[in-house]
Amino acid sequence: DTAVSQTPKYLVTQMGNDKSIKCEQNLGHDTMYWYKQDSKKFLKIMFSYNNKELIINETVPNRFSPKSPDKAHLNLHINSLELGDSAVYFCASSQLQATYEQYFGPGTRLTVT
Amino acid sequence: DAKTTQPPSMDCAEGRAANLPCNHSTISGNEYVYWYRQIHSQGPQYIIHGLKNNETNEMASLIITEDRKSSTLILPHATLRDTAVYYCAHSNYQLIWGAGTKLIIKP
Repeated sequence: DTAVSQTPKYLVTQMGNDKSIKCEQNLGHDTMYWYKQDSKKFLKIMFSYNNKELIINETVPNRFSPKSPDKAHLNLHINSLELGDSAVYFCASSQLQATYEQYFGPGTRLTVT
Repeated sequence: DAKTTQPPSMDCAEGRAANLPCNHSTISGNEYVYWYRQIHSQGPQYIIHGLKNNETNEMASLIITEDRKSSTLILPHATLRDTAVYYCAHSNYQLIWGAGTKLIIKP
């Protein structure tokens, strides 16, 4: 069974479009995250949710909106996509916020043309 | 600003110990040190974490200096499958990640 799953794995779209990435974890964890990994492999946290509540919201354009319908799901919606949004986006979960090991999904490679 | 620094790349011969250093000079007293690795195109995978004492598990050992400003991840008998990017991180309310060390294990 996949612990943290993301869909889609690849996403190619044009500038200006709106897209969503879905994430689900079946580990019973309370905290979920979205990370962005750029072409230089830097990992940067975007959002953290704990029990469906937003805990961390780093300096991310408000075109990015996370939504957590329940504690097993954290989806990422992106409006008006830009070329600079091209990256790999990872979802992760942990039992408690930041102080326990995080389990990562396989990533979604977003390419904006 | 919190800063975590790692060498960009390292080589190690198969079967030898791989020692990966990390500087986390801005770490505060209650922050843990974490190590993850990322095998090509996969999500990062947790390896080990520690606070003050050295730690060992089935994957690796973690040595943390007494002042806690640096740490070393040790893979005791590196195999080709250990080729990956290794990330050091420390946590406050969120993980502060280093840029990663690309470790290449050579036969």
